[in-house]
Amino acid sequence: EVQLVESGGGLVQPGGSLRLSCAASGFNLRSHWMNWVRQAPGKGLEWVANIEHDTSETQYVDSVKGRFTISRDNAKNSVYLQMNSLRAEDTAVYYCARVVPGALDSWGQGTLVTVSS
Amino acid sequence: DIVMTQTPLSSPVTLGQPASISCRSSQSLVHSDGNTYLSWLQQRPGQPPRLLMYKISNRFSGVPDRFSGSGAGTDFTLKISRVEAEDVGVYYCMQLTQFPWTFGQGTKVEIK
Repeated sequence: EVQLVESGGGLVQPGGSLRLSCAASGFNLRSHWMNWVRQAPGKGLEWVANIEHDTSETQYVDSVKGRFTISRDNAKNSVYLQMNSLRAEDTAVYYCARVVPGALDSWGQGTLVTVSS
Repeated sequence: DIVMTQTPLSSPVTLGQPASISCRSSQSLVHSDGNTYLSWLQQRPGQPPRLLMYKISNRFSGVPDRFSGSGAGTDFTLKISRVEAEDVGVYYCMQLTQFPWTFGQGTKVEIK
């Protein structure tokens, strides 16, 4: 069974940093691109970042470029999101999701990040 | 960026009746490889999103056949043939043709 479990969320002050982790199990992580998607309280879904398999090519939404870094450690079956220079508007539930051709087919339960003083 | 626009934003439906959600993209979703990477997701209250349809009309594993997807180019539709109580939630279209990947605003399906 495919499982994605996010961790690392919490309360952080504006300008601070946080590192999210996504532990993957039940499938070969190396074979899949992986994403982070976020959802602000009461709002819709916003795609954040993608990382490809082994080459680790990455793509980001403009609002996080230069501040967030997606990475992966296939040997540890994990994907990460390093978030720096956090802003109030980054407050959201962050979901880890697996990519298959044309879709995000598996999602974790999410981890809440709150940016507030 | 490709903008995804869903209509309606809210859809009150009677149990057993059909529902339809439209999704329009600001540019064609046909990828250079010939595929159209338009998917639909359902988010029930308090739950993470769940994949329903991919590449316009392919139903994901375990999705009931009352759900169907259609469309081409820039205009797409998700239909529920007979709404059941478990279908309550917010539905999102998503394009994976061009980075940044983008979602529609979401359509809330509720029971009248």
